[in-house]
Amino acid sequence: GDSVTQMEGPVTLSEEAFLTINCTYTATGYPSLFWYVQYPGEGLQLLLKATKADDKGSNKGFEATYRKETTSFHLEKGSVQVSDSAVYFCALLNNAGNMLTFGGGTRLMVKP
Amino acid sequence: NAGVTQTPKFQVLKTGQSMTLQCAQDMNHEYMSWYRQDPGMGLRLIHYSVGAGITDQGEVPNGYNVSRSTTEDFPLRLLSAAPSQTSVYFCASSYSERGEQFFGPGTRLTVL
Repeated sequence: GDSVTQMEGPVTLSEEAFLTINCTYTATGYPSLFWYVQYPGEGLQLLLKATKADDKGSNKGFEATYRKETTSFHLEKGSVQVSDSAVYFCALLNNAGNMLTFGGGTRLMVKP
Repeated sequence: NAGVTQTPKFQVLKTGQSMTLQCAQDMNHEYMSWYRQDPGMGLRLIHYSVGAGITDQGEVPNGYNVSRSTTEDFPLRLLSAAPSQTSVYFCASSYSERGEQFFGPGTRLTVL
């Protein structure tokens, strides 16, 4: 079945540092890929998405490129802020469009 | 719009008790789903619905029942709670199966 693997956290960075959170996936066909963010005590919010190979999703300074050749969708941000502290989830939507499969989540802590 | 609302926010049950987790959305979304979130495992799909009167099983449906009598509401029932059902439960909705999913704030359930 489909699966998503992302780097384990927590990831601790200083403010203005560069962020990379790795995500790789296993799926049949051509899934859509997503990054969700969960702030403390809240539900998940869609951060960005990409629906086909070589697409780049971007939002709030975060970027991720759909790499079919390496089955990856790594999340990057050039300069993190304290307010980016949260848990980040990589996910894929299967071909049928009826099931989201999530990675285990990566907790990011940004220190001033 | 209130978005996706869930009640209760917290619940403690004893093994064998039953309860219903409520979920409602006011965005006229056809697609609704229930997930459980466990540490290190991301979110896993329990049940989903593509419209009133239509439900289907997700990845981990055992021990849970759902029904969808209206577009707005999608309750999740635990008929006989077990400690393995201790988790955080999220309800989500979207305009369609492939649309952006909007998540509720979650219900933290503990089964003793």
